[in-house]
Amino acid sequence: DIQMTQSPSTLSASVGDRVIITCRASQSISNWLAWYQQKPGKAPKLLIYKTSSLESGVPSRFSGSGSGTEFTLTISSLQPDDFATYYCQQYNSYLYTFGQGTKLEIK
Amino acid sequence: QVQLVESGGGLVKPGGSLRLSCAASVFTFSDYYMSWIRQAPGKGLEWISYISSSSSHTNYADSVKGRVTISRDNAKNSLYLQMNSLRAEDTAVYYCARVREDGYNLIHAFDIWGQGTMVIVSS
Repeated sequence: DIQMTQSPSTLSASVGDRVIITCRASQSISNWLAWYQQKPGKAPKLLIYKTSSLESGVPSRFSGSGSGTEFTLTISSLQPDDFATYYCQQYNSYLYTFGQGTKLEIK
Repeated sequence: QVQLVESGGGLVKPGGSLRLSCAASVFTFSDYYMSWIRQAPGKGLEWISYISSSSSHTNYADSVKGRVTISRDNAKNSLYLQMNSLRAEDTAVYYCARVREDGYNLIHAFDIWGQGTMVIVSS
């Protein structure tokens, strides 16, 4: 099975910062890579699907890119509402796998 | 608004069984693949199962294979997860989620989530 490894596990940043979260796959995957935001006590929210497509209603400061085994989520200018935990997720051969998560904290 | 509502969680003893339900509203449930995803306390997300729109295809994570069964009733707009031989490590919040589509194409991301139902396996 494909394993997804996110880095960093924790990220401290300030409002207005540009941040990048990386997700690495244990083997090359297609572009079925998604990103989610989760706040404490809430269900995850889809941000990006198919590597780089922005889900409806998600602010344009969020963007995704990548190919092969390395994918990134970029937040161009952090807003107070963005401090949360972020997960990547891949699909391959009828199986889905999530990364372990990246907690984005206020510096 | 498009909504998924889970129910059926609770406290169960190791080795016991539980059936989770997920009620869908305000979208054509029968058109969509659906999944169950869980999250142990303080941990990350773990996909555990999906079912096709017509129930013709299902799949499971290795961690639950042989112990859980996913099913759906399109007439009732409902998704189910039958869980047997429960273990302490099955303790988690269980979410049902819709698999995103783009026209007739699966997009393999989860665009609608329920609020989750808590399952605690403990003696």
